[in-house]
Amino acid sequence: GDSVTQMEGPVTLSEEAFLTINCTYTATGYPSLFWYVQYPGEGLQLLLKATKADDKGSNKGFEATYRKETTSFHLEKGSVQVSDSAVYFCAGGSNYKLTFGKGTLLTVNP
Amino acid sequence: DAGVIQSPRHEVTEMGQEVTLRCKPISGHDYLFWYRQTMMRGLELLIYFNNNVPIDDSGMPEDRFSAKMPNASFSTLKIQPSEPRDSAVYFCASRERGTANEKLFFGSGTQLSVL
Repeated sequence: GDSVTQMEGPVTLSEEAFLTINCTYTATGYPSLFWYVQYPGEGLQLLLKATKADDKGSNKGFEATYRKETTSFHLEKGSVQVSDSAVYFCAGGSNYKLTFGKGTLLTVNP
Repeated sequence: DAGVIQSPRHEVTEMGQEVTLRCKPISGHDYLFWYRQTMMRGLELLIYFNNNVPIDDSGMPEDRFSAKMPNASFSTLKIQPSEPRDSAVYFCASRERGTANEKLFFGSGTQLSVL
């Protein structure tokens, strides 16, 4: 079955630092890929997505590029803020089912 | 729209008791999903419905778990009898009709503690 592997946290950064959270996937076919974010006490929210190879998803300064050759979808942000502190989930899927990674806790200190 | 609404937000119960979690999806959404989140296993899909019909329940851990969707605006997840290892956050999510890759809208979750 499909699987998503993402970098284990926690990740702690200072404000304005560069962020990378790695994500790789294994699936039959070519699934769409997503990054979701979960703020404390809330449900998951879609952050960005890419539906085919070489697509770049972007939102709120975050970016991720769908790399078919490396089966990766790494999340990046050039300058993180304290408000970016949350848990980030990589997800992939097709046929109406999403498989999630285990999540990476990001803490940004002022 | 108020989004996906789950109740209760927190549930504390004793082992052996029946627990019922409730979910109201966003109006007009055809798909409803139940997920369980734990530190050890992350976010797991338990079951999902399309037009109120269960499509895939392969993620339901065992017969103690059951889910129903009697109409388009309401779903329940029941655990009977509950066990301490069922302690987790349970999320309900819904998706609007359309392509398979439309985004999920999640509720705020139910934090379940079984003592």
